[in-house]
Amino acid sequence: GDSVTQMEGPVTLSEEAFLTINCTYTATGYPSLFWYVQYPGEGLQLLLKATKADDKGSNKGFEATYRKETTSFHLEKGSVQVSDSAVYFCALSELAGNEKLTFGTGTRLTIIP
Amino acid sequence: GAVVSQHPSWVICKSGTSVKIECRSLDFQATTMFWYRQFPKQSLMLMATSNEGSKATYEQGVEKDKFLINHASLTLSTLTVTSAHPEDSSFYICSASLLAGRETQYFGPGTRLLVL
Repeated sequence: GDSVTQMEGPVTLSEEAFLTINCTYTATGYPSLFWYVQYPGEGLQLLLKATKADDKGSNKGFEATYRKETTSFHLEKGSVQVSDSAVYFCALSELAGNEKLTFGTGTRLTIIP
Repeated sequence: GAVVSQHPSWVICKSGTSVKIECRSLDFQATTMFWYRQFPKQSLMLMATSNEGSKATYEQGVEKDKFLINHASLTLSTLTVTSAHPEDSSFYICSASLLAGRETQYFGPGTRLLVL
């Protein structure tokens, strides 16, 4: 079945550092890939998505590229801020849109001033 | 943006009792709502998908009689954990979308259940 593996946290970085959170997936078809973010006390929010190979999703300075050859969708940001502290979830969906999401375990990110 | 609320945010109950969790879409009508369960340091696991006015579709391994889902209106879905036991203690999260397979899912903040 489908699965998502993302790097375990917690991850602690200094403000303005470069961020990478690794995500790899296993799927039978051609899934859509997502990154969700959960800020303290709030629900998960869609951060970015990519629906086909070589697509790059981007939002709020975050980027992730759909790499079919390496089955990866790593999340990157060039300069993190304290406000980026949250839990980040990588996810995939085999169907059109994002019904039946399969999630990774989440990575807690803490940015220190 | 679209907001989904859950109530209660946390609940403690005695073993053998039933607990109802509400999921509401506050500013949009949700054709489809999803219920997830999350154990500590684990992924969100989809429990069931519910469409307004019809029976929920449960994922393999999820007991229908244990986790009763009702989606009676376009803004409200409820999850009832019947005869709760300590192993049902978990974090329950709902999400809602305008149209399954076509729209982004909007997530609630979750409900933490502790069964003593």
